[in-house]
Amino acid sequence: ENVLTQSPAIMSASPGEKVTMTCRASSSVSSSYLHWYQQKSGASPKLWIYSTSNLASGVPARFSGSGSGTSYSLTISSVEAEDAATYYCQQYSGYTFGGGTKLEIK
Amino acid sequence: QVQLQQSGPELVKPGASVKISCKASGYSFTSYYIHWVKQRPGQGLEWIGWIFPGSGNTKYNEKFKGKATLTADTSSSTAYMQLSSLTSEDSAVYFCARDTTVVASFDYWGQGTTLTVSS
Repeated sequence: ENVLTQSPAIMSASPGEKVTMTCRASSSVSSSYLHWYQQKSGASPKLWIYSTSNLASGVPARFSGSGSGTSYSLTISSVEAEDAATYYCQQYSGYTFGGGTKLEIK
Repeated sequence: QVQLQQSGPELVKPGASVKISCKASGYSFTSYYIHWVKQRPGQGLEWIGWIFPGSGNTKYNEKFKGKATLTADTSSSTAYMQLSSLTSEDSAVYFCARDTTVVASFDYWGQGTTLTVSS
C-alpha cells in the first residue's frame, strides 16, 4: 500500500501570507494520478487540484500544485480567509488519501 | 448539472445492517465509476471501494471486504452501499463520489450520509 503522509498536520497563516503544504508518498506516484481536495467543516470534499498541477473548475489562481515522484506540494500564494479548510492529497493506487493538512487563518 | 444525492441519516443498532443510496443525475450513470469514502468524526478520508454501474464490476479496499457491498440500479441511476454487522467503529459519514475515469480523481461528491450505530 502506498502511504501518503501530509505535513504539517495543522498550520496557521495570516491573510496575504504564502503557504505551502506537502504530501509525501512511500512509493513513487505518477504525477497524473496525484490529486488534492479541499474540505470545509461539515461539507463534502471538493476536487481542488488534479494531476498534480491542474486547478479544478472555479479554483482561484492563487492556488498551485507541483511535484513528482514521492514529493508533492500545494501552495497558496496569498492566503485569504475563505481558504480555511482541510486539504487532502490522494493517489490512484488503492485510492489512498493523506491524513490532511488543516489550514487555519489568523 | 451533475448531482449525487445521498439518502438521509441513519441510526442503527449494533449487529444490524444498513443500505445507503446515492442517486446520480445530469450525466450517463453507466459510464462512470462510483466510489464510496468513509470519514469518522474528526478524522480523514478512507476509500471503501468502487462500482462501475455499466458492468456491475466492483473493487474493494481489503479492509472493507465482508463489511461493505456495493450495487447499482441502472434503471434508477442509483448506487447503493450495504454495510453489515455494524459496530460503533462504523459510525461515520459516508460519501459517494464520481470518478473522472481519465485520471482517477473524484470530481463530484454526494452530500454525505451520517451513520450512527448505537443501542
